[in-house]
Amino acid sequence: EVHLVESGGGLAQPGDSLKLSCTASGFDFGKSAINWVRQAPGKGLEWVSTISASGGTAYYADSVKGRFTISRDNSKNEIYLQIDSLAVEDTALYYCAKLPTIGGYFEYWGRGTLVTVSS
Amino acid sequence: IVLTQSPATLSVSPGERATLSCRASQTVSNKLAWYQCKPGQAPRLLIYDASTRATGIPDRFSGSGSGTEFTLTIGSLQSEDVAVYYCQQHNDWPPDTFGGGTKVEIK
Repeated sequence: EVHLVESGGGLAQPGDSLKLSCTASGFDFGKSAINWVRQAPGKGLEWVSTISASGGTAYYADSVKGRFTISRDNSKNEIYLQIDSLAVEDTALYYCAKLPTIGGYFEYWGRGTLVTVSS
Repeated sequence: IVLTQSPATLSVSPGERATLSCRASQTVSNKLAWYQCKPGQAPRLLIYDASTRATGIPDRFSGSGSGTEFTLTIGSLQSEDVAVYYCQQHNDWPPDTFGGGTKVEIK
């Protein structure tokens, strides 16, 4: 069974940094592209970033480019999202989600980790 | 590409059919997915490629459409189907387009 478990969220101040983690199990992690998708309170889903299976390629939404960095450690089955220069508008539930081998939809999701940015 | 979902809220009696719409601003071929989101739970993939049910999804959920017009139908609404449903296009890369969501509630 596929499991994705996010961690690392919490309360931060504007300008702070935070590093989120996603631990995966139940599938061939090293062959899967993984994404971060967020949902601000009362809002819809917003794709944030994707990292390729090897970790060699990363994509970012324009809204986070330059402040967010996605990475992975295939030896630990973990994905990371480094968030720098946090802004109030980054307040959201952050989900990690797995892409299928072929296709651009989100096959499996975690339950999310909440990031709250407030002064 | 902009995805517009309607209605914003749908109230349906138990056992009745629920029909949700997703319209794309330009063609996405058949590359459209539907997700179910409930508070405190992981979002769940229901449908991909417009009409293919994901693993373990009950057959009361069905998807149809192509090009710019898509529909998610819940054939006989159950109490556990109360959720917000989102469509997402997966024709273009990155897969960055979600609809605004339709909230389904029990009448």
